Amino acid sequence: SQTIHQWPATLVQPVGSPLSLECTVEGTSNPNLYWYRQAAGRGLQLLFYSVGIGQISSEVPQNLSASRPQDRQFILSSKKLLLSDSGFYLCAWTPYGRDLQYFGPGTRLTVT
Amino acid sequence: QKEVEQNSGPLSVPEGAIASLNCTYSDRGSQSFFWYRQYSGKSPELIMFIYSNGDKEDGRFTAQLNKASQYVSLLIRDSQPSDSATYLCAVNRDDKIIFGKGTRLHILP
Repeated sequence: SQTIHQWPATLVQPVGSPLSLECTVEGTSNPNLYWYRQAAGRGLQLLFYSVGIGQISSEVPQNLSASRPQDRQFILSSKKLLLSDSGFYLCAWTPYGRDLQYFGPGTRLTVT
Repeated sequence: QKEVEQNSGPLSVPEGAIASLNCTYSDRGSQSFFWYRQYSGKSPELIMFIYSNGDKEDGRFTAQLNKASQYVSLLIRDSQPSDSATYLCAVNRDDKIIFGKGTRLHILP
């Protein structure tokens, strides 16, 4: 069966510090991968998505970046965090050729 | 016009009653429609998907789709306190899924 992992589960970082969040999917090949952010009391904001290794589409210009170094690995990064980067970061995947999207457990980021 | 619109609620429903959640979407080209449940502090969980006009039932849940009216709904029969959550409606667009902001549902014991 397929599973999706995200780490860390929670993170507290000072303003201006770097960020690296990792997501991996097991039990599938060539999934589409997605990064979302959900700010407190707000909807899901799609940040990046990837349909293959090295292929990244950005939805919202900001100080975040994403990379997909391996088929089932998706990384979200920032060189310098802003207070507005606080939120619940969710990685999601869809099976190859399908459109059913499944979410990981999420990382709750607080920027202080 | 927002791509996917939902009433934010909260929608309060007595235990045992039918909860009805509604959603409209703007892209007539959308072919796939989803409902997710999100408990407070947790990630969204896919609970229903529907591709064709009409009803689709799964246990206590029924998804309804009307493409002509660009309308999707979710019915929850015999509502339980454990159904209290935020329900997100979503539709596909190319390689992406577009989410509504969600409706908060509160089941009253």
